[in-house]
Amino acid sequence: GQQVMQIPQYQHVQEGEDFTTYCNSSTTLSNIQWYKQRPGGHPVFLIQLVKSGEVKKQKRLTFQFGEAKKNSSLHITATQTTDVGTYFCAGRVYGSARQLTFGSGTQLTVLP
Amino acid sequence: GAVVSQHPSWVICKSGTSVKIECRSLDFQATTMFWYRQFPKQSLMLMATSNEGSKATYEQGVEKDKFLINHASLTLSTLTVTSAHPEDSSFYICSARGDRESEAFFGQGTRLTVV
Repeated sequence: GQQVMQIPQYQHVQEGEDFTTYCNSSTTLSNIQWYKQRPGGHPVFLIQLVKSGEVKKQKRLTFQFGEAKKNSSLHITATQTTDVGTYFCAGRVYGSARQLTFGSGTQLTVLP
Repeated sequence: GAVVSQHPSWVICKSGTSVKIECRSLDFQATTMFWYRQFPKQSLMLMATSNEGSKATYEQGVEKDKFLINHASLTLSTLTVTSAHPEDSSFYICSARGDRESEAFFGQGTRLTVV
């Protein structure tokens, strides 16, 4: 079945440092979504990428979708303590009416 | 974004009892609802997909007789954990989607503890 791998599993950074999490799918995706889950909370939708090579920005967050539509990345510039949480990618396979397949998540800790 | 309300947010029950979790879309019609399970520090695992008015589609390895899902209306889906056991303790999260291409919105989650 479809698998979505995400690395790293954990990341500790000093406040102000950059952070990147990577997502790789075993199959081509129709789209990929990114979610943030704060400790004890539920996943919150951040963004959806659909086009090959697409790059989207949200303030300090930059999202990329690979040319082959099998990988994606989320980059945070100059992390802040409010960025703490687990970031999940979730991919949808072409033609699938099913829900997304979630990556394993990257737990980000930002040290003040 | 749209609002999905999940209730209760936490529940403690005795082994052998059943627990019902509700998932409501408050300001949109949810054609499809999804139920996930999340173990501590792990990712979300899809349990089942339900479309309004039809039987839920369960993922491989999920016991349909144990996790009963009902999606009787466009705004409500329920997950009933029957004859709960301690190993059923987990964080259960629903998400709801309008049309096929729209994003899904998550409920707040229900933390179930079976003692």
